Amino acid sequence: DAGVTQSPTHLIKTRGQQVTLRCSPKSGHDTVSWYQQALGQGPQFIFQYYEEEERQRGNFPDRFSGHQFPNYSSELNVNALLLGDSALYLCASSQVGQPPSLHFGNGTRLTVT
Amino acid sequence: AQSVTQLDSQVPVFEEAPVELRCNYSSSVSVYLFWYVQYPNQGLQLLLKYLSGSTLVKGINGFEAEFNKSQTSFHLRKPSVHISDTAEYFCAVSDRTGGTSYGKLTFGQGTILTVHP
Repeated sequence: DAGVTQSPTHLIKTRGQQVTLRCSPKSGHDTVSWYQQALGQGPQFIFQYYEEEERQRGNFPDRFSGHQFPNYSSELNVNALLLGDSALYLCASSQVGQPPSLHFGNGTRLTVT
Repeated sequence: AQSVTQLDSQVPVFEEAPVELRCNYSSSVSVYLFWYVQYPNQGLQLLLKYLSGSTLVKGINGFEAEFNKSQTSFHLRKPSVHISDTAEYFCAVSDRTGGTSYGKLTFGQGTILTVHP
């Protein structure tokens, strides 16, 4: 049973560019949440997708957007990259309505130069 | 709004010694509580969670945590650590509203546990 898979594992972009990160949830899960983990910090909630809609959003600007597909996979898009966007981006999946138990992927390490 | 404070940023300990990682939280609503572990260059792995019932929760790898509602704490303990326990540990909370709210966790800043031989 595959867990949460994220791609790519590493990415280097230049300031001002745009990036797309991808996530496939654990089998049987229908909800995907995205987190940003800056170096030396705890993960910060970006947003959550369920039924192809954004359900909750953390304190992140509109440059951060996402999408969920009918197969429950998800994308995180970041426009107009800033140096401060350099971080580990974690995807987590869960099943709505079930006792909370997020399963995390290994993350995508984004470096903005 | 919720917040989580992990009281120690780094905890060094010798192998086979006991360890306690401290976590306090603040919330205006009832919460669920979690401890996650992160090994270098990896994602987060769930160690244990408190949903309801007994305030002493046992998790994987010999870890346990105790929920103290009056002190709003959820400290993580292990009676005898191993070199392989060296990692970063995160305490987190989510509110009990249900549905999609479970996907939003508020994390502490993390505690780096280093086990020395």
